[in-house]
Amino acid sequence: KNEVEQSPQNLTAQEGEFITINCSYSVGISALHWLQQHPGGGIVSLFMLSSGKKKHGRLIATINIQEKHSSLHITASHPRDSAVYICAVSKETSGSRLTFGEGTQLTVNP
Amino acid sequence: NAGVTQTPKFQVLKTGQSMTLQCAQDMNHNSMYWYRQDPGMGLRLIYYSASEGTTDKGEVPNGYNVSRLNKREFSLRLESAAPSQTSVYFCASSNRDRSDQPQHFGDGTRLSIL
Repeated sequence: KNEVEQSPQNLTAQEGEFITINCSYSVGISALHWLQQHPGGGIVSLFMLSSGKKKHGRLIATINIQEKHSSLHITASHPRDSAVYICAVSKETSGSRLTFGEGTQLTVNP
Repeated sequence: NAGVTQTPKFQVLKTGQSMTLQCAQDMNHNSMYWYRQDPGMGLRLIYYSASEGTTDKGEVPNGYNVSRLNKREFSLRLESAAPSQTSVYFCASSNRDRSDQPQHFGDGTRLSIL
């Protein structure tokens, strides 16, 4: 079993919908990262969090340390949000090294 | 704003050939990483360099070598390419070897081994 599991693997939404992507992990962590991989392949860091909630524009990331679970929410989704969203964790003993989930392919249709 | 630059972007090799993937960052970061990305799997760490002058194995180091040439550059070498090494390779960097540091990624190198 992977140490980082994401769901769903694929998600199709209509423009304007509220989207939730989930990430569960089975190891002790220092931080959890959400990344976005564009259709062209480039990867950018969206959020890094160790507790609570962070918001950037229409994106919101939450984490529940006790339940070992994080969610990424997208409000008022837009076709430009179509991408692969990747959850990754820094394990407690691994410094900056990341362990990645398989990613969630999001498609937002106009 | 170059960030992390990888070369080449695409490459096709024959089994047994050797190749070096180049990575350079202009953010004065201390730590650098090489990952591979395969269909149906998450990114996996091949090697990393916590700081200039140090390198360590990651999750899947077999068949690869690395060189941290200086603070800016971190290269990945395939000595004798195998079809199992067909993948997309990403280089990344972070300011420090700490969990609270975001990683900055290059655009990737798509490598096919025939």
